[in-house]
Amino acid sequence: AQTVTQSQPEMSVQEAETVTLSCTYDTSESNYYLFWYKQPPSRQMILVIRQEAYKQQNATENRFSVNFQKAAKSFSLKISDSQLGDTAMYFCAFMIDGGGNKLTFGTGTQLKVEL
Amino acid sequence: KAGVTQTPRYLIKTRGQQVTLSCSPISGHRSVSWYQQTPGQGLQFLFEYFSETQRNKGNFPGRFSGRQFSNSRSEMNVSTLELGDSALYLCASSLGGTKNTEAFFGQGTRLTVV
Repeated sequence: AQTVTQSQPEMSVQEAETVTLSCTYDTSESNYYLFWYKQPPSRQMILVIRQEAYKQQNATENRFSVNFQKAAKSFSLKISDSQLGDTAMYFCAFMIDGGGNKLTFGTGTQLKVEL
Repeated sequence: KAGVTQTPRYLIKTRGQQVTLSCSPISGHRSVSWYQQTPGQGLQFLFEYFSETQRNKGNFPGRFSGRQFSNSRSEMNVSTLELGDSALYLCASSLGGTKNTEAFFGQGTRLTVV
C-alpha cells in the first residue's frame, strides 16, 4: 500500500516571498506519478503540478516548482512570489502508473499568504 | 468546455436513509473516481469507474456503491446512512486510457447526516 505524509499542517508566508511545502511518500512501485493539488475555500480541487517518477527533471509550472528526490521518496513544492490567491489547502498525492485513476492523498498543508 | 458537474451541491439526510449523488464528467472522459473528504480521515478514495466497470475500489463498507452509465455519468449510493458519513464527496473525471492522465475535480456534494 502507498502512503503519503505531509508533516506541516499549517504554514504562512508573506506576499511575494517564497515558501516550500514538504511531502514524503512510501511505495514499492517503480512507476508512478506525484501531484500537488490546491483546494481553496471554494473546495474545488485544482491540479497545481504533476511529476512522472521516471523523469529526473523537476517539473515547473510558472511560479510553482517541485524538488523530486526519488531515492529519498521526497516531493516538495516551492511557491515563488507568493500571492494572496495562493491561500489554500495543498495536498500531495500519489498515483500508480497503469493502476487506473486512484489518488492517494496526504493530510494537507494549510497555506496562508499574508500582506 | 464544461467542467465536472456534481449534483446536488448540498444534502441533508437522516440516519438510516439512503442517498444518491451524481457526477457528470467532462465530455469525452471515461473514468470517474469518487472520494470522501472529512476533517478526521482526510481524502479517501472510494471507487473508480471506467467504461461502466468498476476498475478500482477503496476500503469502504458495502453500504457505499456506485455505477456508471453509457454516457460516462456516474452515481454513488450510500445506504443506511450513519452520522459518520457526513462529508464532502468529490468526484474526478479523466480520459482514463492506459496512461494515467490528469484528473479534474467537481465542486463536491456536501452531505450532512442528522
